[in-house]
Amino acid sequence: DAGVTQSPTHLIKTRGQQVTLRCSPKSGHDTVSWYQQALGQGPQFIFQYYEEEERQRGNFPDRFSGHQFPNYSSELNVNALLLGDSALYLCASSLGQGQNEQYFGPGTRLTVT
Amino acid sequence: GQSLEQPSEVTAVEGAIVQINCTYQTSGFYGLSWYQQHDGGAPTFLSYNALDGLEETGRFSSFLSRSDSYGYLLLQELQMKDSASYFCAVRDDGGYQKVTFGTGTKLQVIP
Repeated sequence: DAGVTQSPTHLIKTRGQQVTLRCSPKSGHDTVSWYQQALGQGPQFIFQYYEEEERQRGNFPDRFSGHQFPNYSSELNVNALLLGDSALYLCASSLGQGQNEQYFGPGTRLTVT
Repeated sequence: GQSLEQPSEVTAVEGAIVQINCTYQTSGFYGLSWYQQHDGGAPTFLSYNALDGLEETGRFSSFLSRSDSYGYLLLQELQMKDSASYFCAVRDDGGYQKVTFGTGTKLQVIP
């Protein structure tokens, strides 16, 4: 039973560039949430995708966008990268939108220079 | 909005019991969850409390008091592998999809 997978593992980008991160949910899960985790902080909710639509969004600017595909996998796109976007980006999956038990992937470590 | 407070660090001896507290402020409440995260790893779900009282899962227990907006995670028979960060989390009252995490408690287990 495959868990949540994310790619790439690490990424280094320059300010102003754009980045796309990918997530495959745990087998049988249909909902994907994205989180940003700065060093020493708790995960911060970016948004959630269910049925290929963004269902709720946290306090993140429009530079952060996403997509969910028919196979439930998801992408997170960040445009016009800032130094402050450097963080661990976590994807979490669940069956349904309101589930309290989420399964997290290993994350993508993004460094913006 | 939501806010959750936890102690930043806790140190405990191997084999002992440790309690990690969490106080929260929300205008609505859908229950309190706990996650464990080892350095460099992904958060792992530990427990969920929707109602007052104690929930036990092996060496870990979680408690909730809704009237006090307070909960705690209790770890018994501590092992070195329990050294990790522990986060409490609540579901957003404005839209239940959003989960807000606390600041995290870094637990160090010493021999």
